Amino acid sequence: GDSVTQMEGPVTLSEEAFLTINCTYTATGYPSLFWYVQYPGEGLQLLLKATKADDKGSNKGFEATYRKETTSFHLEKGSVQVSDSAVYFCALNQGGKLIFGQGTELSVKP
Amino acid sequence: DTAVSQTPKYLVTQMGNDKSIKCEQNLGHDTMYWYKQDSKKFLKIMFSYNNKELIINETVPNRFSPKSPDKAHLNLHINSLELGDSAVYFCASSQVFSGPRMGYIQYFGAGTRLSVL
Repeated sequence: GDSVTQMEGPVTLSEEAFLTINCTYTATGYPSLFWYVQYPGEGLQLLLKATKADDKGSNKGFEATYRKETTSFHLEKGSVQVSDSAVYFCALNQGGKLIFGQGTELSVKP
Repeated sequence: DTAVSQTPKYLVTQMGNDKSIKCEQNLGHDTMYWYKQDSKKFLKIMFSYNNKELIINETVPNRFSPKSPDKAHLNLHINSLELGDSAVYFCASSQVFSGPRMGYIQYFGAGTRLSVL
């Protein structure tokens, strides 16, 4: 079945460091891809999405590009802030249900 | 105004009890979902309703019964609670029931943390 694999966490960075969180997927067809973020004690919020190959989703300085050839959707940010500390989930839409990766916890230190 | 609201936020109960979690969305969406997040933060879909009709039913014990009185509400009733039911349960909604290429966003509630003692 379809699946999403994310890099293991936790990831600890200093403020203003460059962030990459790897995400690869296995799917039949061409699913839509998403990054959701979960701040401590809160629900999930959509961070960005891409619906077809080569689409780039972006929001709040985060970016991810839908790469069909490598079945990847890596999340990047050029300069992280302490307020970016959260758990990040990569997901694909399979027939209306979201299939999530295992989540990557990010901790940004001042 | 909260778009997807769940009650209660926390639920602590004894094994064997029956409990319900309520979810309401004010976004005018047709489709609602229940997801379970385990202690390792892994998220998995449980159910989905589209216009009050059950359309996704993953392999969930039949102690879990969703009920959708109207398209703005999707409640989750759990019978005979077990220790393994302890988790965070998230409700979500989306504009339409999405196919594989559709990018309709699912909006999530803040979650209900269920602890079974």
